[in-house]
Amino acid sequence: DQQVKQNSPSLSVQEGRISILNCDYTNSMFDYFLWYKKYPAEGPTFLISISSIKDKNEDGRFTVFLNKSAKHLSLHIVPSQPGDSAVYFCAASASDMRFGAGTRLTVKP
Amino acid sequence: EAQVTQNPRYLITVTGKKLTVTCSQNMNHEYMSWYRQDPGLGLRQIYYSMNVEVTDKGDVPEGYKVSRKEKRNFPLILESPSPNQTSLYFCASSTGLGRWDGYTFGSGTRLTVV
Repeated sequence: DQQVKQNSPSLSVQEGRISILNCDYTNSMFDYFLWYKKYPAEGPTFLISISSIKDKNEDGRFTVFLNKSAKHLSLHIVPSQPGDSAVYFCAASASDMRFGAGTRLTVKP
Repeated sequence: EAQVTQNPRYLITVTGKKLTVTCSQNMNHEYMSWYRQDPGLGLRQIYYSMNVEVTDKGDVPEGYKVSRKEKRNFPLILESPSPNQTSLYFCASSTGLGRWDGYTFGSGTRLTVV
């Protein structure tokens, strides 16, 4: 039962353009949503989060948008840089934390 | 440096041979957890601990044991490993449940059971 879904296994964008990573969830009890970034041979690292009482949170080049009615969140990276190439995991938290399967982002120079 | 340390990083073992993966954190975090990562399934929680001597099952606890005798350590024990436990394992810790500022993850342990 995957309560958090990332339907795009991979995404490729050009350096300097916008990257948009998407995530859908099914459990309306989730009240915090997070994004993690993972490089090869390393553990995931926390990137940005958003509370369910907000619809947007911004941190530098990274912005997370939450659409509660659609049970959808997205991560925007502007502008994309080659160093952003990694696997991005979406996560949602209620009493525990559930992760999506991840999206591999490749930013081409 | 604040970190979660897992050992070993890589392990190949045979079916049925007991093994332990160690996890230690130096941030005085109350919450610790073990996840496994499998292709197409993301990170699934095995066990978690809210504090010393308090542990509970996650989504996929079968075949695993944990203990939390000290705040900093949270070992994962496979009493009789089987090939379906071949996976990439991550230990994580946080203050509280990490709902706002996330978990700190270790670098992972790649386990192969033959």
